[in-house]
Amino acid sequence: KQEVTQIPAALSVPEGENLVLNCSFTDSAIYNLQWFRQDPGKGLTSLLLIQSSQREQTSGRLNASLDKSSGRSTLYIAASQPGDSATYLCAVEGYNTDKLIFGTGTRLQVFP
Amino acid sequence: DAGVTQSPTHLIKTRGQQVTLRCSPKSGHDTVSWYQQALGQGPQFIFQYYEEEERQRGNFPDRFSGHQFPNYSSELNVNALLLGDSALYLCASSYNTENEAFFGQGTRLTVV
Repeated sequence: KQEVTQIPAALSVPEGENLVLNCSFTDSAIYNLQWFRQDPGKGLTSLLLIQSSQREQTSGRLNASLDKSSGRSTLYIAASQPGDSATYLCAVEGYNTDKLIFGTGTRLQVFP
Repeated sequence: DAGVTQSPTHLIKTRGQQVTLRCSPKSGHDTVSWYQQALGQGPQFIFQYYEEEERQRGNFPDRFSGHQFPNYSSELNVNALLLGDSALYLCASSYNTENEAFFGQGTRLTVV
């Protein structure tokens, strides 16, 4: 059974710091991995999608890497801003299954 | 492009009642998935619809049922509501079943 874990559960940093959020999964047979952002009480905004054949994806100040063999992904946020404050969720989709399995998220607060 | 839209945004129901939540997928998408997110947790997969049929189902009781219409929009029905059904219900759409998922803003259901 696939399990997804995110560390740390919460993070509070001053503006301008570079951040690394971690996601680990127990079954390496994944089809893709997706990172999402969620503001309080709101839906999910897709940030980056990494297919199983890819090693990383970049969008602006965000970079996500994937190491299937070790069951790990990291989301790197460069030069953090207060507007980055949100909960970040990672989710994996396995082969022969159409559902996303989520971690419990990392709650990020960036203060001025 | 309106993206994934869900209605209503908030809903309060009494134990034992029935509720219907609605979702319109992103333009060009034909697959709709429903998730339940309890406070402080990651979303949990309920089921997925493709070509008007339920393709896959998560670990939810039969009180949870759904439907997909020819225009790809979808409904989630929950019967005999319990207090524990209080959660944020998220709809996600994608093109076919194994592509990037886009989420709506969710419906906050409170059962009293």
